[in-house]
Amino acid sequence: QVQLVESGGGLVKPGGSLRLSCVASGFTFSDYDMSWIRQAPGKGLEWLSYISSSRNTLHYADSMKGRFTISRDNAKNSLYLQLNSLRAEDTAVYFCARFIHDYGAMDVWGQGTTVTVSS
Amino acid sequence: DIQMTQSPSTLSASVGDRVTITCRASQSLTGRLAWYQQKPGKAPKLLIYKASDLESGVPSRFSGSGSGTEFTLTISSLQPDDFATYYCQHYDSFSYTFGQGTKLEIK
Repeated sequence: QVQLVESGGGLVKPGGSLRLSCVASGFTFSDYDMSWIRQAPGKGLEWLSYISSSRNTLHYADSMKGRFTISRDNAKNSLYLQLNSLRAEDTAVYFCARFIHDYGAMDVWGQGTTVTVSS
Repeated sequence: DIQMTQSPSTLSASVGDRVTITCRASQSLTGRLAWYQQKPGKAPKLLIYKASDLESGVPSRFSGSGSGTEFTLTISSLQPDDFATYYCQHYDSFSYTFGQGTKLEIK
C-alpha cells in the first residue's frame, strides 16, 4: 500500500544537527512533489519545506531558511530534511507528506518522527 | 503573508449533530484550500481539497464550500469517529499556510 515512513528523530542538544529521512513505498516516488510539516507538542501544524519531483524547485518557510535543507534521492525513494542550529522551539513531531500540486494539498502522510532539542 | 483563522477553536457537539467549521483568510484566496482531520498521536488525514472536492474514501457526510476569504467544512451528521481536530490549509505559489485548528469535542 501507499506508505511513507520517517526516521532519524531523537534527542539533540541546542545548536546540534539531525538528518531526517522519509522512505516511500507503494507509489512511484519520482513522480510526486513532497513536503515536510511539523507539529510542536500541543500545537498546530506548521509547513516547513517543499521539493518538486525533479528536485528543480525548493520552497522553505521563512523562519526555516538557512537552517533546514530539503533534498531527495529518487533512486532510493527517499526524502530528507537536514536540520542545523537546532533550538528548543524546534522540538516537534516532523511529518513528511506527498504533495499533490493540483489539489494544493498533502494526500499521504507518514506517521512522524520526534525531534527533541534539550540540553 | 496570508493568515488563516479558524473558528471556533473548540466545538462541543453530540453524535448526530450537524456542525460547521469556518476558515477565514486575511485576503481573498486565489489558490487552493484543503481540510484535514487529525486524531491524537496520528498523522493528519486529507478530507477535502480545492475547497469542495471530497478525497477518495472520505465519507459523504463531510463537505466543503466557500470562496474568497471564507470557507467552511460541514459534517452533516456527527459520528463517534469524527471527534478530532480539524485544520484548514491554503496553498498558493510559495505559500502553504495552516489554520490554527478546531478541536471537535463530545458534548
